[in-house]
Amino acid sequence: GDSVTQMEGPVTLSEEAFLTINCTYTATGYPSLFWYVQYPGEGLQLLLKATKADDKGSNKGFEATYRKETTSFHLEKGSVQVSDSAVYFCASAGGNFNKFYFGSGTKLNVKP
Amino acid sequence: NAGVTQTPKFQVLKTGQSMTLQCAQDMNHEYMSWYRQDPGMGLRLIHYSVGAGITDQGEVPNGYNVSRSTTEDFPLRLLSAAPSQTSVYFCASSYTDNQPQHFGDGTRLSIL
Repeated sequence: GDSVTQMEGPVTLSEEAFLTINCTYTATGYPSLFWYVQYPGEGLQLLLKATKADDKGSNKGFEATYRKETTSFHLEKGSVQVSDSAVYFCASAGGNFNKFYFGSGTKLNVKP
Repeated sequence: NAGVTQTPKFQVLKTGQSMTLQCAQDMNHEYMSWYRQDPGMGLRLIHYSVGAGITDQGEVPNGYNVSRSTTEDFPLRLLSAAPSQTSVYFCASSYTDNQPQHFGDGTRLSIL
């Protein structure tokens, strides 16, 4: 069945460091891919999305490219800020099933 | 613009009690779903609905019932609460299963 796997956390970085959070997916069809962010005590918010191969989603300095050949959707940011500290979830949707699949989440801590 | 509204925000139950978690959206979304979020496990899909009158099971449906009598509302019922159901519950909605989901702020449920 469909699934999403993302790197274990927590990830601890200093401010202005480069961020990569790995995400890979398995799907029987051609899913759309998403990154969500969850700040403490809040619900999930959509960060970016990509709906087909080679699409690049971007928002607030974050980017992720839909790589069909490697079934990956890694999240990157060139220079993180303390305010980026949160839990990040990779997700897939569509394909052959009417369901969303979420990764287990990666907690990011950014220190000043 | 309310988005997805969940009530209550917090609830404590005793084992064996029943209750209903409410979820309402005002965006005319067809697709609605319930997730539970447990530490280290990300989000797991409980039940989902692709439109009024249609519901289906997700990954962890046991112990929960849902109904979808209107497009706006998607309540989640716990029939006989168990400590294993202590979790944070999120309701989400989207236009279709292949579009970004909008999340409510969550209901933190404790079963004693």
